[in-house]
Amino acid sequence: QQPVQSPQAVILREGEDAVINCSSSKALYSVHWYRQKHGEAPVFLMILLKGGEQKGHEKISASFNEKKQQSSLYLTASQLSYSGTYFCGTEGNTDKLIFGTGTRLQVFP
Amino acid sequence: DAGVIQSPRHEVTEMGQEVTLRCKPISGHNSLFWYRQTMMRGLELLIYFNNNVPIDDSGMPEDRFSAKMPNASFSTLKIQPSEPRDSAVYFCASSLIGEQFFGPGTRLTVL
Repeated sequence: QQPVQSPQAVILREGEDAVINCSSSKALYSVHWYRQKHGEAPVFLMILLKGGEQKGHEKISASFNEKKQQSSLYLTASQLSYSGTYFCGTEGNTDKLIFGTGTRLQVFP
Repeated sequence: DAGVIQSPRHEVTEMGQEVTLRCKPISGHNSLFWYRQTMMRGLELLIYFNNNVPIDDSGMPEDRFSAKMPNASFSTLKIQPSEPRDSAVYFCASSLIGEQFFGPGTRLTVL
């Protein structure tokens, strides 16, 4: 039931791009993306609703394929501040979010 | 707004003791969520409330765990008796529509 994220970990140099994938075995109403820095709470990035797509930030965007029950998060021209663990959260027809396995992203100068 | 407030921030207790975690959601939010995070199991939803009513508690591990929300501005998560495997970071989050705002978490260590 827990969404599966890939890759598990990514290492980047500043300015490089990355894609993080989230796959669910259940029909989805929406997908949320959060970033968590070490020792801190998760912070909301964006939400993608069934039938639509929403960007939360300029260089961080996402897509949602309802039929495949998949979402992807795109980070372009990565910055040091992008480092952290990224979680997708999938939602069915309730307010309940099931968080994915997480992807650890490290950006180096 | 001060955001979601949780207390205590750290709790160290001995096995068998009762532990109570507290949460004050953002004013005006109508949904409140309790999560547990560990390295092994990731971020797990324990229970969530909508308009102070428990909607889904299927994630509560066992009868040792209980949660209440007596009013719109306060919720508690209680563990009695606590066990070493309960050691984790417990997050409270609140939302109005969609986006969930997380509190800073309570790091619980059960010896």
